[in-house]
Amino acid sequence: NAGVTQTPKFRVLKTGQSMTLLCAQDMNHEYMYWYRQDPGMGLRLIHYSVGEGTTAKGEVPDGYNVSRLKKQNFLLGLESAAPSQTSVYFCASSDWTGGNEQYFGPGTRLTVT
Amino acid sequence: GIQVEQSPPDLILQEGANSTLRCNFSDSVNNLQWFHQNPWGQLINLFYIPSGTKQNGRLSATTVATERYSLLYISSSQTTDSGVYFCAVERNSGGSNYKLTFGKGTLLTVNP
Repeated sequence: NAGVTQTPKFRVLKTGQSMTLLCAQDMNHEYMYWYRQDPGMGLRLIHYSVGEGTTAKGEVPDGYNVSRLKKQNFLLGLESAAPSQTSVYFCASSDWTGGNEQYFGPGTRLTVT
Repeated sequence: GIQVEQSPPDLILQEGANSTLRCNFSDSVNNLQWFHQNPWGQLINLFYIPSGTKQNGRLSATTVATERYSLLYISSSQTTDSGVYFCAVERNSGGSNYKLTFGKGTLLTVNP
């Protein structure tokens, strides 16, 4: 099992550009999450999904959109990137049968200039 | 929302020393996890421990849910233990709220 994978690993954007980050998991988990990590801080939840076709806002959702068209994939979109969105983005997945223990992907480092 | 405080913020050890990291949280929890973020940025699951004690090699963890704290013990530390250790909790809201709230972490440096 690959676990949780993220694409791409690194990206540099100019202000105003758009992009989509892809998260995939092969553990058949129901729940998926997107977090961002900024220097000196823990992770903060952006959006999450409790099943295929569902999404919900987390702690810091502004400027991001998400979609969960397939159970194994969770996409994070930036429609008009801003320098404040420079961060490391982590995807995670979990399942209620495991007590919601979350497993994380390797992260995507995004720089917006 | 729930508050998660980790201490100490920074810790420097000599190889072979033992250490204890603490996580305090402000409300009852369904889920508590400890993670190690290595120098390459990868988040590694250490323990899923909403209550009780678990051990895995040189690492062990104890959560006392009624007193709202968890401890991570590292024995005979090695340079590869260096990195940031995060505690994260899911607040008990009567059901699953799915959300992990992270502390700010403890930065551990183990010198040879």
